[in-house]
Amino acid sequence: SQQGEEDPQALSIQEGENATMNCSYKTSINNLQWYRQNSGRGLVHLILIRSNEREKHSGRLRVTLDTSKKSSSLLITASRAADTASYFCATDGVGGSNYKLTFGKGTLLTVNP
Amino acid sequence: GAVVSQHPSRVICKSGTSVKIECRSLDFQATTMFWYRQFPKQSLMLMATSNEGSKATYEQGVEKDKFLINHASLTLSTLTVTSAHPEDSSFYICSANRLPGPAAYEQYFGPGTRLTVT
Repeated sequence: SQQGEEDPQALSIQEGENATMNCSYKTSINNLQWYRQNSGRGLVHLILIRSNEREKHSGRLRVTLDTSKKSSSLLITASRAADTASYFCATDGVGGSNYKLTFGKGTLLTVNP
Repeated sequence: GAVVSQHPSRVICKSGTSVKIECRSLDFQATTMFWYRQFPKQSLMLMATSNEGSKATYEQGVEKDKFLINHASLTLSTLTVTSAHPEDSSFYICSANRLPGPAAYEQYFGPGTRLTVT
């Protein structure tokens, strides 16, 4: 079953604006990752945040993790048209399923030039 | 490093035929490979986990006789869709764990295979 739920399902912004996407999950996790997928293509790994971390940065990306709320957010600053893609969060869980990734439903981001 | 390829990238087949999709780790050895299925505008659903030299572990609801998985070496796993039907049309993505592993977060994804069954 799907662990993660992203919101919004779709987001349309203008180039230069910031984009924030959220992900919620249900069970305890070891790590949470964010991926990007361009239409009809494979996944590109963006960033990983461990369960004992609260915030992480990578270039224009900022990820936060709140394990008490079982949620994470991905912020893309100064967006570009090339950021247009679907964004997924994925979790790997504590215990027997720690070798599996469970993906959220994704957010389709459209950055208009 | 850590490149995963899939072949073919696109395939069209007729109903009732079988089609094989290959997943290769090009520059590393993979203890575990995963097969996902993705319908249009939806998320990735894990179909099965394959370990080199052993039987694949299928997720609930995935027909093992329909989706045959063979992980014959540390760099190659294949998914065969048998007796394909139009509803099997989908985007199939594989991923691989690098040795030593397996740690789920160390999965490297292939570019996907678009299967269309007519």
